[in-house]
Amino acid sequence: DQQVKQNSPSLSVQEGRISILNCDYTNSMFDYFLWYKKYPAEGPTFLISISSIKDKNEDGRFTVFLNKSAKHLSLHIVPSQPGDSAVYFCAAKNTGNQFYFGTGTSLTVIP
Amino acid sequence: GAVVSQHPSRVICKSGTSVKIECRSLDFQATTMFWYRQFPKQSLMLMATSNEGSKATYEQGVEKDKFLINHASLTLSTLTVTSAHPEDSSFYICSAFIRGGSVRTEAFFGQGTRLTVV
Repeated sequence: DQQVKQNSPSLSVQEGRISILNCDYTNSMFDYFLWYKKYPAEGPTFLISISSIKDKNEDGRFTVFLNKSAKHLSLHIVPSQPGDSAVYFCAAKNTGNQFYFGTGTSLTVIP
Repeated sequence: GAVVSQHPSRVICKSGTSVKIECRSLDFQATTMFWYRQFPKQSLMLMATSNEGSKATYEQGVEKDKFLINHASLTLSTLTVTSAHPEDSSFYICSAFIRGGSVRTEAFFGQGTRLTVV
């Protein structure tokens, strides 16, 4: 049973525009949500996180929004750059520090 | 930032043999490490939680006798795939969790191991 879902397997945006990646989850007990960037045959690298007690966290070009009532989070990248092209995974952490990942969204930023 | 080193990065083994994958936290102590598996074009699936000095906790559907996990020290966890078969071919990744002084929470990941069973 997939507790974290990313329904868009791929996304293409023009350089300079906004990229919006979406993620839904089912377990209301998750206490932290994170976004990771991953290149093929490499481990994921941390991008940005948000506590379940917040609804927004911003770090430079990256902003994560959390809507707890909808069990939905999103990652906004603005402006998008070609170097942002990668697979993005959202992850949710439970109080046991176990992470559950979505299936990933492949972002392509077109120059 | 914290570093998690995973070795080997690639391994090819014959069907029926066993393969050991190591995961080390290089600059911090990790009481808990996690093992994930990724099939092509699929998500990272949590296999088990490795606790230093105690038995690992396996996710539902993961065979603990096939995927042996040992966490003998605060900096090393190992995953041994026993009697490997071609369907065990996958990308295996370990991670260690750090809780920072702020509200930031991160898991650091190893580089991953590509296992191919022939």
